[in-house]
Formats: sequence, structure tokens, C-alpha cells
Amino acid sequence: DQQVKQNSPSLSVQEGRISILNCDYTNSMFDYFLWYKKYPAEGPTFLISISSIKDKNEDGRFTVFLNKSAKHLSLHIVPSQPGDSAVYFCAASSGSNYKLTFGKGTLLTVNP
Amino acid sequence: EAGVVQSPRYKIIEKKQPVAFWCNPISGHNTLYWYRQNLGQGPELLIRYENEEAVDDSQLPKDRFSAERLKGVDSTLKIQPAELGDSAVYLCASSLVITDTQYFGPGTRLTVL
Repeated sequence: DQQVKQNSPSLSVQEGRISILNCDYTNSMFDYFLWYKKYPAEGPTFLISISSIKDKNEDGRFTVFLNKSAKHLSLHIVPSQPGDSAVYFCAASSGSNYKLTFGKGTLLTVNP
Repeated sequence: EAGVVQSPRYKIIEKKQPVAFWCNPISGHNTLYWYRQNLGQGPELLIRYENEEAVDDSQLPKDRFSAERLKGVDSTLKIQPAELGDSAVYLCASSLVITDTQYFGPGTRLTVL
């Protein structure tokens, strides 16, 4: 039973355009959400997070939006750069145990 | 500041053989995690340590997997005996405290033949 779902295995965008990566969750207890980026042969790197008390968090080119009623979050990258090409994992946790539950990841390719 | 260090980076063994992975967390990080990442999946937590105490090992297959963090710093994850289905990347992560961001090491890619 996948509690965190990333339904798009891959996404391809042109350099300079917006990349939108989506994530859905089923567990109502989740109250903290994170995005990790992973390059080949490296471990995941923390990118950005959002608490359930917010609906938006921005850090430079990266913005995460949270829609609690829809149990949906998205990561926007503007403008996209070739160096952003990586696998992006959505993860969620609850305040009760802080255990991270990851999605399967989305491979983003930014074409020059 | 050095990140999370893991060794070896790659390991190939035959089934039924034992294998061990080592992790040195970021200095000062009290919480240490071991994850397993199967091909095409996200990381899944195996065990979490608070200092030297294993506080969540509910996902660790205890018949063949064991872990230790004797002095509350580095940690070892062992599989004995390994099975074909254990082929995966084993990731170690650490955080200052449980509520803090988790920082991952590069992982150990295990192949069981």
C-alpha cells in the first residue's frame, strides 16, 4: 500500500521552462513533507520542505505547494536548468514518529 | 564539514554469504538511519537509532539482518545469510535530532548472485 505516490516516472522539460513534479499521499496523519533530489551513484539530497500549517514554501528557484484537502503537493522549479536533471523523491512524515515515507521518484530531464 | 560516509560503495557476493555495511554519520548527529532502496523504488526505513539505542526496528527482517551502533557514533548493518532478494542499495542517513533534516550517505550497492 503506497502511502506516498509519484505517478509520473519521468518528466522532460526544456531549459528555462518550468518543471512541475507532483506527489499524492493517502495518510491523513502526515503533517510534514519533503523533496529530495538524487543524482546517480549518490545519496538523496534534501531540497525543500513544507509543514502542513503552510500551503507554500519557496527557496530560490524551488517552490513547494501543499493542498491538504486534495492530499497533493507539487514542486515547481523555475527556471529549469540542465543541472536539475535528477530523480526527485517526495517524502512525508507525521509528528508522532517522524518516520519518512518516500514515493518511488520522478526522473526529471532538463534539455539544453 | 564531512558528510555521511559509507563503505564499501559496491559489494558483490554469492547467496548464503554474509555481508556487512559500515556508516559514519555527520559529527554530532545523534540520530542514525539505515534504509534499503530497491530498484525503481524510494528508500524504505530499516532501523533508526537514537544514540546507541535502536528505537524503531519494526521493518528490519530480524531473521537475517542485524545492526549495531555500539558507541553511539558509527554503525554496522549485517546480513547473514544473504538472499537474492537482498540486492539493493543500502543507504545510511543521520540527523542532529529526530526532528531535523536527514542527510544521506552515497549508499552501498549490494548485488547477490
